[in-house]
Amino acid sequence: AQSVAQPEDQVNVAEGNPLTVKCTYSVSGNPYLFWYVQYPNRGLQFLLKYITGDNLVKGSYGFEAEFNKSQTSFHLKKPSALVSDSALYFCAVRPPAAYNFNKFYFGSGTKLNVKP
Amino acid sequence: NAGVTQTPKFRVLKTGQSMTLLCAQDMNHEYMYWYRQDPGMGLRLIHYSVGEGTTAKGEVPDGYNVSRLKKQNFLLGLESAAPSQTSVYFCASTTLKGKGNEQFFGPGTRLTVL
Repeated sequence: AQSVAQPEDQVNVAEGNPLTVKCTYSVSGNPYLFWYVQYPNRGLQFLLKYITGDNLVKGSYGFEAEFNKSQTSFHLKKPSALVSDSALYFCAVRPPAAYNFNKFYFGSGTKLNVKP
Repeated sequence: NAGVTQTPKFRVLKTGQSMTLLCAQDMNHEYMYWYRQDPGMGLRLIHYSVGEGTTAKGEVPDGYNVSRLKKQNFLLGLESAAPSQTSVYFCASTTLKGKGNEQFFGPGTRLTVL
């Protein structure tokens, strides 16, 4: 079965410190990997994605993510957190064409709290 | 471009009432999805569509029906609402052109069933 895990319900970090939000997956083949952010009472906004190539991908608002194939992980990172980064973050996976790529699989979400 | 829009934004229903949620996208996307979001449970797929006139069940389809009569619209129906269907509903769309395309999400519909 395809699954995505975000092991931390909540991550707390002080403003200016680096942040990491973790994501691991169990999906057939070489999937496409995504991070989304959700602010209160809003829809999900796309942050970044990994398709192929360089394991470190850069996205919106200074976020980046590191793909690790051997650990099947796709952790979201930012060198210096801002209070405005406080939100709910979702990791998502889309299987490749050979494995029902019509669907996206989402983690349960991680609430990021950045304190001043 | 309006992207993905959802109507209505809020709705309160009584148990047993019916309603239809409308999702519209102006990006000519082939794929459309309906999710529900509940606290601590992330997003759960209700139904999805890979093209006009085709729909398929997702993870939690019971109690919902969908229709995709036009490429740009995807309707989610509740025939007889139940309190367990109190949730926030999100529509999303994506294209199959190219590789690894992300989903675009609507702003959500907050539904309360009393």
